[in-house]
Order: sequence, then structure tokens, then C-alpha cells
Amino acid sequence: DVKVTQSSRYLVKRTGEKVFLECVQDMDHENMFWYRQDPGLGLRLIYFSYDVKMKEKGDIPEGYSVSREKKERFSLILESASTNQTSMYLCASSPNGRAGNYGYTFGSGTRLTVV
Amino acid sequence: AQSVTQPDIHITVSEGASLELRCNYSYGATPYLFWYVQSPGQGLQLLLKYFSGDTLVQGIKGFEAEFKRSQSSFNLRKPSVHWSDAAEYFCAVGDPNTGTASKLTFGTGTRLQVTL
Repeated sequence: DVKVTQSSRYLVKRTGEKVFLECVQDMDHENMFWYRQDPGLGLRLIYFSYDVKMKEKGDIPEGYSVSREKKERFSLILESASTNQTSMYLCASSPNGRAGNYGYTFGSGTRLTVV
Repeated sequence: AQSVTQPDIHITVSEGASLELRCNYSYGATPYLFWYVQSPGQGLQLLLKYFSGDTLVQGIKGFEAEFKRSQSSFNLRKPSVHWSDAAEYFCAVGDPNTGTASKLTFGTGTRLQVTL
């Protein structure tokens, strides 16, 4: 089974802290994605990556950055956490080619609370 | 740009009753279409997907969905709901023409409650 692992299920951070959310997949997928999920808003794409060291902005990249130094790992960085970044963060991966052919495999999510 | 509408925020059905969750999309051609389910505290699991061909698609857990081009819809159905189906359901669309990392656009979700 494809597995996407997010290192933390729950995180509590203080305003202004630098926060790292880690995601690792074990199926050699080329593409990785970070979404945030908020009630009534569904899932919104923050950033995605289609190759090592490559990244592209999604729909809501402000306040976030990403890092992909290795194929299996995709990190989401909150440079200076703010309370409006309190949310559920979901990582996903998919193989190359027509990624839509396969759908995504999601991690279990990290619920981040910024106080 | 593609978009997805799930008009029902919350649906309650009795166990054993039939279920239909609505999904409408906006896209210039036929997109890739997906339904995902999210149980409480979990990530999203793929239920089924449509790319082309037969407009009635079978998925896991006894779910099916029908693509209707004329209505720009991809509604999810189940003939008899089980209490374990209580979860949040997301419809998503993908652009077949973007090549590699095809981004999926998700709807806002429908929360299903099942009464015993």
C-alpha cells in the first residue's frame, strides 16, 4: 500500500514561531501536495512539487514556503506562524504522467493550533 | 479555471436508506472526476474516479457515481447506507490537459450523518 506519513497528528505553536510540517511518502511518487482544510472551505492547495527541488504555488501560498530536497519528503514551512494559520494540513502524493489517472494518496493530516 | 460545487453541507439518512450526494463541476470539457471520503480524524480515501467511457462508475464500499455531461454532475450514490458510512465526502475535479502534476480542485464537502 502507498503510504503517506505526516510526522505529527497535533501541534500547538506560538504566534511568530517558525513551524515545520513534514510529509514522507514511500512509493517513489514524483508529485507531492500540501492542502489546508477548514470547515466550510473544503481543501485548498497551498503548494505542490512535481520533482525534487521543484515547487509551484497553489491557490493560497501566502505565509507558507516548502522544501523538497529528497523525492520522498515534502516539508511545509510557516515562516512566522499566525493564528489564522490554525487549520488541518493534509499532505498528498501521486505518481507522474497524468496524475489524475491515479488520484491522490493522502496522509492522516496534522492539526495545527497557533496560539 | 475548474471549480466544484457540493450544494449540500450536511445530510442525515437512516441506516438502510439510499443515499445520493450531489456534485456539480465547472470545466470547459470533460474533467477527471473523483469522490473521496474522510472519516473523523483521518485523511482522505479515494472512493472512485471517472476518466472516460462508461458513465456509471463503481467504487469501494458499495458506492457508485454517475457522470452526466448534460448536467455537469457527478453524483455519488449508495443503495443502502450503513452506520459506518458516516463521514465527510468530497468531490474533486482534475484537468486532463495539464500533463504531469495535475492539481485537483475539491468541493467544500458534504457531511453525512447516519441515524440508527
